Amino acid sequence: TQLLEQSPQFLSIQEGENLTVYCNSSSVFSSLQWYRQEPGEGPVLLVTVVTGGEVKKLKRLTFQFGDARKDSSLHITAAQPGDTGLYLCAGDRAGTASKLTFGTGTRLQVTL
Amino acid sequence: DAGVIQSPRHEVTEMGQEVTLRCKPISGHDYLFWYRQTMMRGLELLIYFNNNVPIDDSGMPEDRFSAKMPNASFSTLKIQPSEPRDSAVYFCASSPPAGRSSYNEQFFGPGTRLTVL
Repeated sequence: TQLLEQSPQFLSIQEGENLTVYCNSSSVFSSLQWYRQEPGEGPVLLVTVVTGGEVKKLKRLTFQFGDARKDSSLHITAAQPGDTGLYLCAGDRAGTASKLTFGTGTRLQVTL
Repeated sequence: DAGVIQSPRHEVTEMGQEVTLRCKPISGHDYLFWYRQTMMRGLELLIYFNNNVPIDDSGMPEDRFSAKMPNASFSTLKIQPSEPRDSAVYFCASSPPAGRSSYNEQFFGPGTRLTVL
């Protein structure tokens, strides 16, 4: 059973378009992290959200944590080719002693 | 400070051979995680250590897989004997002590791409 489902699985868009990636679960998380992974490299942490309803911005990226802390979204404005990669959400469930639950991933390709 | 270091970056071996993957975590981090990533199954946690002690190995697929952490700066993941279905990218990640990071943020190495023929 996959605890964190991401949608869409794949997304191919042109430079300048906006997009939203969703991360959904039936479980409550203490915090939720978003990572980006480029080809041939390991995931790199982008942001951590910890409060229900929290919104964080990182340049053109906007991250939101659901009010009930069961879901999250990542919105990218005016996508650029450098945004291409695999986006992973990861949840920290209380009582799991530092173990993260990773989502299924969204593979984004941004073309010129 | 150097990031997580993994070696080798690529490994090609034949079925039945022993494979050893190596990891050096970030200095000062006391959590170390081993993951496996495939297109079909995504990123799966295999095992993790805290202060060199294995905490949860429920993700280790079978007895052919074993992991050790003899000291704070080194860990190995061994597959013996290897099988073609073990082909994947294996990542090591480390995390600082709970007092320094409240949210279990993890720092990943570049991975080892394993191909078993």
